[in-house]
Amino acid sequence: DAMVIQNPRYQVTQFGKPVTLSCSQTLNHNVMYWYQQKSSQAPKLLFHYYDKDFNNEADTPDNFQSRRPNTSFCFLDIRSPGLGDAAMYLCATSGTGGQGQPQHFGDGTRLSIL
Amino acid sequence: GNSVTQMEGPVTLSEEAFLTINCTYTATGYPSLFWYVQYPGEGLQLLLKATKADDKGSNKGFEATYRKETTSFHLEKGSVQVSDSAVYFCALSDRGDTGRRALTFGSGTRLQVQP
Repeated sequence: DAMVIQNPRYQVTQFGKPVTLSCSQTLNHNVMYWYQQKSSQAPKLLFHYYDKDFNNEADTPDNFQSRRPNTSFCFLDIRSPGLGDAAMYLCATSGTGGQGQPQHFGDGTRLSIL
Repeated sequence: GNSVTQMEGPVTLSEEAFLTINCTYTATGYPSLFWYVQYPGEGLQLLLKATKADDKGSNKGFEATYRKETTSFHLEKGSVQVSDSAVYFCALSDRGDTGRRALTFGSGTRLQVQP
């Protein structure tokens, strides 16, 4: 089945130690998104790629960066994680067809900061 | 800007009860509307969608109708099961400048179904 896969499901890192989360897709979608979701809240969009074009949300901290080396893969880099960055990180993809194209989500990576 | 307002949870129901989760939206233009479901420890799954006024989305016994006159997209199910226990997010999608379909989420409603 075509899908969005996030690795790892659980990640533990130390305060200030860089960490990378990965996402891959077999849907061949043009657009890939990264969301941060804290407990009992809605997902918050951090940034997205439209093909190779990177688009940052205005309030995304500089500590968060992303790379998309090819259509299938996208990475989220957190340069110096703080305690407030502990959250679930969700990757999603969408096509660019007509109205009503949904986003397809992975199962997320839950990040803990020690 | 766009916004989505959902009823606060948790909503606690007995098995086989009728479910309604209210959702209203504010948007310019003609957004698409979605309901996503999130089971514990998992990502979001698309439950149903509607792309224009009076469209009804349906899936797994859940239904929602796109009501432009009341700017609403309420989720309903006639008979809930324990397995429906999850968090439900209402969302709208509007085409942005970059061509992406930006999703604006409501705050989510936790549903707990008791046997």
